[in-house]
Amino acid sequence: NAGVTQTPKFRILKIGQSMTLQCTQDMNHNYMYWYRQDPGMGLKLIYYSVGAGITDKGEVPNGYNVSRSTTEDFPLRLELAAPSQTSVYFCASSYLGAPSDGYTFGSGTRLTVV
Amino acid sequence: ILNVEQSPQSLHVQEGDSTNFTCSFPSSNFYALHWYRWETAKSPEALFVMTLNGDEKKKGRISATLNTKEGYSYLYIKGSQPEDSATYLCAYNFGNEKLTFGTGTRLTIIP
Repeated sequence: NAGVTQTPKFRILKIGQSMTLQCTQDMNHNYMYWYRQDPGMGLKLIYYSVGAGITDKGEVPNGYNVSRSTTEDFPLRLELAAPSQTSVYFCASSYLGAPSDGYTFGSGTRLTVV
Repeated sequence: ILNVEQSPQSLHVQEGDSTNFTCSFPSSNFYALHWYRWETAKSPEALFVMTLNGDEKKKGRISATLNTKEGYSYLYIKGSQPEDSATYLCAYNFGNEKLTFGTGTRLTIIP
C-alpha cells in the first residue's frame, strides 16, 4: 500500500516557467489537499478537493491551479513560476475529511524558483 | 483568519524526562483538533483527532487532552526517548474541509 505519492521530490524552475506537481493516492480517499510550507510558517492550504470533479480554494490559491478528474489523482499546476512560490509542497488525503479523520501526507516536493 | 498558536516554539528535554506542550485555538465553532508528529526529512504523521470537550487520547507514551470551552489542547510525552525528537503540529478544524495548522513545537531529546 503506497499511500500518498508525490513527484517530483525536488525541482528547480526558472521564473516564468510552468510545471505540474503530481499527487496520487491509492487508499480510495475522497478528500485531497495541497499545502505549502515556508520556513517559520505553518502549513498553508492552497487547494482542496472533496471528490472527483470538485475543487475549492484554500488560503493561498493565487498562482496555482488544480484538477481532480479521478479519485486517485490531484495534480497541482504552477503557471508562470515566481520566486515567492519557492517552498515545500505537501499533498495529503483523508477518508472522512478534516472534522473526523487524520490526514495522510505525501513525502513532499521541494521547489526552488530562480 | 482564525489563529492556532503553539507553545513553546522549541524545547530541549533530557532523555527519560516527561514533557508537555500546548496548542491554543479559538473556542467558538469547534469541530476537531488534530495532532501530527513531523520528523525531519519525513512527512507529517497523524497522532490524534479529537472532537469532544474533555477528550483524552493515548498512543504509547504520547497522550493528549482537549478543552474546547477554553480553547486549548495539551500533548504529553512520558519518559522521552531520542526517537521522540520531531516537530509536533496541531491543527484546528472549524467545520469545513480546511485545517488551520499551528507553526509547531520542535522537540529535541538530549541523550
